[in-house]
Formats: sequence, structure tokens, C-alpha cells
Amino acid sequence: GENVEQHPSTLSVQEGDSAVIKCTYSDSASNYFPWYKQELGKRPQLIIDIRSNVGEKKDQRIAVTLNKTAKHFSLHITETQPEDSAVYFCAASIQGAQKLVFGQGTRLTINP
Amino acid sequence: DAGITQSPRHKVTETGTPVTLRCHQTENHRYMYWYRQDPGHGLRLIHYSYGVKDTDKGEVSDGYSVSRSKTEDFLLTLESATSSQTSVYFCAISDGYYGYTFGSGTRLTVV
Repeated sequence: GENVEQHPSTLSVQEGDSAVIKCTYSDSASNYFPWYKQELGKRPQLIIDIRSNVGEKKDQRIAVTLNKTAKHFSLHITETQPEDSAVYFCAASIQGAQKLVFGQGTRLTINP
Repeated sequence: DAGITQSPRHKVTETGTPVTLRCHQTENHRYMYWYRQDPGHGLRLIHYSYGVKDTDKGEVSDGYSVSRSKTEDFLLTLESATSSQTSVYFCAISDGYYGYTFGSGTRLTVV
């Protein structure tokens, strides 16, 4: 079945620097790739998503890129701030079904 | 809030007892999901529903059953709880086009 690998599992960056989280997926038919942010003790919340007909999407300080040939996609956060500290999950859709497979998560820590 | 609520928020139960978790939505979305979240495993799909009385298994469905008799409610039942089912359970809803909206989660402890 579909598998999503996410790296790194933990990431620590200085405030103001950029952070990059990478995911690879196995099903070439996947066509929807959302990213979720989960703060401690809270629910995962959708922060950005991309569909397979687009290579890049930006929303203020966050961006997602998709390489369909290599079957990987990445989350980029620029000018990081303390409130960016959280666990981030990538996900990929499963062909023919309205469901997502999630990566294992990345714990991002922003150091002041 | 997000149009989706889970109950209870916390529960402690004994091994071997049945447990039912409830997910209620006010968005009239067709799709509903139950995931469990464990350290190192991310979010794993237990069961999902694509309509009233239409459900299917996810990757970790053993020991769980679900029911959806109304669009707004999706119930997850642990027939006989085991310690391995200690976890945080998240319900999610989707209209089939955009990403999921998650509930606040239920922290279940089986002792």
C-alpha cells in the first residue's frame, strides 16, 4: 500500500533561519499532498496543501514544492519564529479513495 | 469551533471492557475518519466512512469496529480494550476535495 516517509524526525533551527522538511511517497497515482501542524496537546491543523498539477505553492512564510518524477515533496518555512515550534506532518492521498496516508512527523524547535 | 467534536476527551478504562468514542460533525461532510496517534508512528488510519452505513477498514483496524447511522455521527468501538489500544484517537472530516479537519482528540488509557 501507499507509504509516506518523512525526514528529519527532529529539527532544531535558530529563530530567523529557514527550516525544510522532506517527504517521499510510494504511489505514483497520489495527487493531493497536505501539510499539518500540531502544537502540543492540540489537534493537527492544515497549514498548506498542493495538488499534483502544481509544482510549488506559497502562503506568506511557508511554501511547499512537489517533484512528481522523484515522488517527493517538501515544506519550507522561512524567517522562523518561536510560534513555528510544533510537530509537522506530511500526507499523501491514496488513489481511488478519499483518504490520506501520513508521514511519521517532524518535531520542529525554534531556538531564540 | 471547527464543526467537529469528539467525546469523551479523556477516558481511563480497564482491560477487557468495551469502549465507544463518538465523533459529531455539523459540516454535513460526506467523509469521516478515525485515526490513532502514537509516538513514532504518526497518524494511522483505523476506519473511515464515505457515507451513511458505508465504512471501510484502514491499516490498523484489528480490534476496532465503527458505525455511522447518521451523516453527523461516527462511532468507534473497542469491543474488548487492550493495553495496546492506549493512544490518542482523532476523528477527522472531509468534503472530499480539501484536506481533513480534525477533532480535538480523545486520550484513551487502558489499564
